[in-house]
Amino acid sequence: EVQVVESGGGLVQPGESLRLSCAASGFIVSTYWMTWVRQAPGKGLEWVANLNGDGSVVNYVDSVKGRFTISRDDARNLLYLQMNSLRAEDTAVYYCARAREAIDVWGQGTTVTVSS
Amino acid sequence: EIVLTQSPATLSLSPGERATLSCRASQSVGSYLAWYQQKPGQAPRLLIYDAYKRATGIPDRFSGSGSGTDFTLTISGLEPEDFAVYYCQHRSNWPNTFGQGTRLEIK
Repeated sequence: EVQVVESGGGLVQPGESLRLSCAASGFIVSTYWMTWVRQAPGKGLEWVANLNGDGSVVNYVDSVKGRFTISRDDARNLLYLQMNSLRAEDTAVYYCARAREAIDVWGQGTTVTVSS
Repeated sequence: EIVLTQSPATLSLSPGERATLSCRASQSVGSYLAWYQQKPGQAPRLLIYDAYKRATGIPDRFSGSGSGTDFTLTISGLEPEDFAVYYCQHRSNWPNTFGQGTRLEIK
């Protein structure tokens, strides 16, 4: 079965760091665009970052540039999102997803709460 | 950044009726537009990609149309499970933005 499962969310204080992980099964992450999408409480969807198959193209939404890093462990078929200098406005459910012509595989999401 | 504007914000209909949801882009996205359905507490689900192509397993009561800046998602014969929030999303350039969503509620 093709699926992705996120982990690593939690409650952190402003300025702290967190690393989200995404375990893929049923497909090889290095052969697809992989992405992180977030959804703040009661709000819509926001595409945060993506990474292409050969790792040559990385994109970030402006609000996370310089703070978040998307990366991959091809040997373990994992996707990561390293989040530094977290802010209250980063509070959201973070979804790991596979993108082809559109996002066709979504995880169940992991919740990140940034609060003092 | 391309802004996607969805209308209406909320649509109240009864089961069996036809739903027409709109997504307008601030500049042309060609046919690079997708539609997703999201139910409370769940991840979004892909319905339509490239403006009109149904994703695997999506019933044929869901159809998409449009190109350039104006797109429509039509649900013909609403089923009880169709009441949810619907988002459009483009992949024309980065950032691949989403619309703000249309909530389809039971009348």
